[in-house]
Amino acid sequence: GEDVEQSLFLSVREGDSSVINCTYTDSSSTYLYWYKQEPGAGLQLLTYIFSNMDMKQDQRLTVLLNKKDKHLSLRIADTQTGDSAIYFCAETGTSGTYKYIFGTGTRLKVLA
Amino acid sequence: GAVVSQHPSRVICKSGTSVKIECRSLDFQATTMFWYRQFPKQSLMLMATSNEGSKATYEQGVEKDKFLINHASLTLSTLTVTSAHPEDSSFYICSARRDTTYEQYFGPGTRLTVT
Repeated sequence: GEDVEQSLFLSVREGDSSVINCTYTDSSSTYLYWYKQEPGAGLQLLTYIFSNMDMKQDQRLTVLLNKKDKHLSLRIADTQTGDSAIYFCAETGTSGTYKYIFGTGTRLKVLA
Repeated sequence: GAVVSQHPSRVICKSGTSVKIECRSLDFQATTMFWYRQFPKQSLMLMATSNEGSKATYEQGVEKDKFLINHASLTLSTLTVTSAHPEDSSFYICSARRDTTYEQYFGPGTRLTVT
């Protein structure tokens, strides 16, 4: 079945860039997403990338997609303390029902 | 923008009782909604796909008699946790798929605590 993996933790200093990585197994994924979850809250869609794109930039966020290696990354420029949260990547699976398969989540801690 | 609400946001109930959680798409129609469960410090696990006017499709390992899903209208799906036990304590999140664009929008989640 589909599997989406992320590293569990990332710690960066305020003002530095953060790079959160994600690997997936389903080569037929159509869309890949990045969500942010703050403590006790729901999911906030940050950005998404269509599978025929290599890169997408949206203000401080840059998404890179390497389809050959099935690798997705999210770069946050000028990371702020408010960026501290858990970040999930997700893909749409192949079932045709548009079910989301979520990654394991990366906890980002930004140090002042 | 598209908004999905969940009610209640937090509920505490006694073991053996049933709890109903509502998921509403406020400004769009959603024939399909999804229910997820999230344990502390873990990822979201899809429980079931809710379809308006038909039976829900449950993921492997999810008891359909314990987690009753009713999708009675194009804007409302409910999840009822029957005979709740402490191990059912979790964060339940729904998402609604807009009929016209297939984009999914997530609700804010419901924290269930069973004592």
